[in-house]
Amino acid sequence: DSGVTQTPKHLITATGQRVTLRCSPRSGDLSVYWYQQSLDQGLQFLIQYYNGEERAKGNILERFSAQQFPDLHSELNLSSLELGDSALYFCASSAEPQGFDTIYFGEGSWLTVV
Amino acid sequence: AQTVTQSQPEMSVQEAETVTLSCTYDTSESDYYLFWYKQPPSRQMILVIRQEAYKQQNATENRFSVNFQKAAKSFSLKISDSQLGDAAMYFCAYRSGQGGSEKLVFGKGTKLTVNP
Repeated sequence: DSGVTQTPKHLITATGQRVTLRCSPRSGDLSVYWYQQSLDQGLQFLIQYYNGEERAKGNILERFSAQQFPDLHSELNLSSLELGDSALYFCASSAEPQGFDTIYFGEGSWLTVV
Repeated sequence: AQTVTQSQPEMSVQEAETVTLSCTYDTSESDYYLFWYKQPPSRQMILVIRQEAYKQQNATENRFSVNFQKAAKSFSLKISDSQLGDAAMYFCAYRSGQGGSEKLVFGKGTKLTVNP
């Protein structure tokens, strides 16, 4: 158990819909990352937050947004869903935003868009 | 932008034998960190081993060790005395040491099969 908690574990939704994925980082970790894992794109970095502030942005679509709340949990919002958004979405956390610090991953949220 | 290449989509090894997974990366930076993550069928991403680029000594964690060749930009993972539980996808990852670019950049992965 990495200590990073993601909900829901599985989600099936229709095209055009909106979903919210939730992440609780490890106790004490200030930095949260979101990754998307799909068969064709591999593991892609979406966005990073540190202590409530956006720190880095990767290949995140405009239809997607995220935030980190004062209690450090984070949410990834996916809207106007398309079939191609079906993927495993990982949340990860680390104590520090950079360097050698280990990044711990949650078990992921499986999103299936039908 | 940094890239990570894992040239072996699949590898297999006999139980108790040794296997080496390859990873190369491309970067112009001098300060960075390298990682190997394991993803078993459960899909959980688990850190196996990590290496700081400025350290010449190769990292070792029990049966797992790396061969870090900085000049060649190579970071291979050696698994000794392979066990059935080692069967998984293995991802090599790069992390910049420069502020503002601290995301992990992953390779495509190598699927390791362990035969009894």
